[in-house]
Amino acid sequence: DAGVIQSPRHEVTEMGQEVTLRCKPISGHNSLFWYRQTMMRGLELLIYFNNNVPIDDSGMPEDRFSAKMPNASFSTLKIQPSEPRDSAVYFCASSLNLEKLFFGSGTQLSVL
Amino acid sequence: AQSVTQPDIHITVSEGASLELRCNYSYGATPYLFWYVQSPGQGLQLLLKYFSGDTLVQGIKGFEAEFKRSQSSFNLRKPSVHWSDAAEYFCAVGPGGATNKLIFGTGTLLAVQP
Repeated sequence: DAGVIQSPRHEVTEMGQEVTLRCKPISGHNSLFWYRQTMMRGLELLIYFNNNVPIDDSGMPEDRFSAKMPNASFSTLKIQPSEPRDSAVYFCASSLNLEKLFFGSGTQLSVL
Repeated sequence: AQSVTQPDIHITVSEGASLELRCNYSYGATPYLFWYVQSPGQGLQLLLKYFSGDTLVQGIKGFEAEFKRSQSSFNLRKPSVHWSDAAEYFCAVGPGGATNKLIFGTGTLLAVQP
């Protein structure tokens, strides 16, 4: 099993640019999560999907953030426009029936 | 309010020494407790979890944790630390079968001296 795959591993962009982070969950898992990790706030849940449907997006910081899951094997997290305070590590995780979480290796985002 | 506190931000131990990482929680119902480890540049990996039963749980990589309801604690221990254990460790609490509601602590960074 390849695990949860995220791309890119690192993203450096300028303020105002659009950023798209990608995630491929573990095959067969029916829940997908996007987390953000910062020194100040630790690990925060942004949004989670169950069976490709967004269930809880209360953690999404503002309208600049959006997430989609067009099918069971792919999800994106988009930030438009990006701001320096969005700089963080973004993790995708998946699980089967909301049991054990499996995390990807994360995307280190730097917004200059 | 539901919360998880890891009072130690950074700990340094010598290789071969014992280790204990502290975790205290505040949770309204019976908690389901987890310890995750994050190696540099990697995502979080589950070390162990406690749902019910024996309050001393064994995990991977030789780690164990003890649930103490009276102290609202779930401390992680290892009798002899290896250099490869250097990582960041996260305690988490939540309802069982609902990983969407996990609350993570802020983490403890473990350094291992040779």
